[in-house]
Amino acid sequence: GEDVEQSLFLSVREGDSSVINCTYTDSSSTYLYWYKQEPGAGLQLLTYIFSNMDMKQDQRLTVLLNKKDKHLSLRIADTQTGDSAIYFCAESTGGFKTIFGAGTRLFVKA
Amino acid sequence: EADIYQTPRYLVIGTGKKITLECSQTMGHDKMYWYQQDPGMELHLIHYSYGVNSTEKGDLSSESTVSRIRTEHFPLTLESARPSHTSQYLCASSDWTGRAGNTIYFGEGSWLTVV
Repeated sequence: GEDVEQSLFLSVREGDSSVINCTYTDSSSTYLYWYKQEPGAGLQLLTYIFSNMDMKQDQRLTVLLNKKDKHLSLRIADTQTGDSAIYFCAESTGGFKTIFGAGTRLFVKA
Repeated sequence: EADIYQTPRYLVIGTGKKITLECSQTMGHDKMYWYQQDPGMELHLIHYSYGVNSTEKGDLSSESTVSRIRTEHFPLTLESARPSHTSQYLCASSDWTGRAGNTIYFGEGSWLTVV
């Protein structure tokens, strides 16, 4: 069945790069997404990538997609304390169905 | 930027009370969703709608009910609240586009505490 898996925690020092990983099972996934959730708030769409792309860069964010291994990663360059949040990976196979991972809690140490 | 609004943001109510959480979106999206999320935990889909007069139960069983009489409005109702209903409820909407697929946009959430 469809599943999206992420590691639960990541801790980095301020100024370092963070890499958050995600694996998915549905090979028919067409779009993959990264969302950010700050405490007490809803999920904010950070970026998305179409399945025929390998990489997408947007300022400090770089998304890498390895379709063969069904692996998606989000790299945050020069991580700041304001980047501390939960990051959710999600996949969409079309229609209404979007599957979310359990979220990775990023802790940034000053 | 998404325009999806939830009220109330925070609510404390007594056991047995009836509560309706409001959700409105101004994007004209056909699809709307309710997720339940305990603090810092994963999302659970409890209800969704394909459009007006369409409502479906999600992956997680919930005692709440929803209605979709207008495209922009998707309220969630608990007829008799219990402490086990204490959680954050996130409303969301989406529409399929060739550019970004089924991108889901979320409201800020409604925090419900039942005492």
